[in-house]
Amino acid sequence: EAQVTQNPRYLITVTGKKLTVTCSQNMNHEYMSWYRQDPGLGLRQIYYSMNVEVTDKGDVPEGYKVSRKEKRNFPLILESPSPNQTSLYFCASSRRGSGQPQHFGDGTRLSIL
Amino acid sequence: KQEVTQIPAALSVPEGENLVLNCSFTDSAIYNLQWFRQDPGKGLTSLLLIQSSQREQTSGRLNASLDKSSGRSTLYIAASQPGDSATYLCAAEFTSGGGADGLTFGKGTHLIIQP
Repeated sequence: EAQVTQNPRYLITVTGKKLTVTCSQNMNHEYMSWYRQDPGLGLRQIYYSMNVEVTDKGDVPEGYKVSRKEKRNFPLILESPSPNQTSLYFCASSRRGSGQPQHFGDGTRLSIL
Repeated sequence: KQEVTQIPAALSVPEGENLVLNCSFTDSAIYNLQWFRQDPGKGLTSLLLIQSSQREQTSGRLNASLDKSSGRSTLYIAASQPGDSATYLCAAEFTSGGGADGLTFGKGTHLIIQP
């Protein structure tokens, strides 16, 4: 089954404790991205990757890092999480090129205390 | 700044009614517009994608239209059912977007279909 898988689905942690949210897709998609969803603000793009070893900032990249060492994986790293990064995070993937539908994971709910 | 706006923010209608959800965008230079459904605690499910060269797309009881010149898209749901209750999100891929291939989302319409 074609899917985008995120882990963990839920995480409660404390300020400053490094964490990684993994994202994996099995559709051989070139393009992957991360979004965060906040009440009243909607979904906003954090980082995206056009292909292996190619990453770039989205609209709200501060406090986040990503890497794309393999085509299928695109982890989101919070080196020193802060409470304002409490949010619902989504990973998405698609084929390169405009007009390709994006496929989303089920989301990861992070709470930073 | 490119923006996508959805009206209304919430909508409640009796089962069986036909309804229209609205989406507007500030820049007509788009590659495509995509409608998603989001259920509570779930991710986003793609419903319809309209390319910039198209005027509409249909899937079952859903029909989405696109009018680039006026910066509008609508999602028409025919014969609504309680199972259609969800938040519906509109997202545009702008040609001049900084997030190349990235989507700019509206804040969604929360739809409730009353049995």
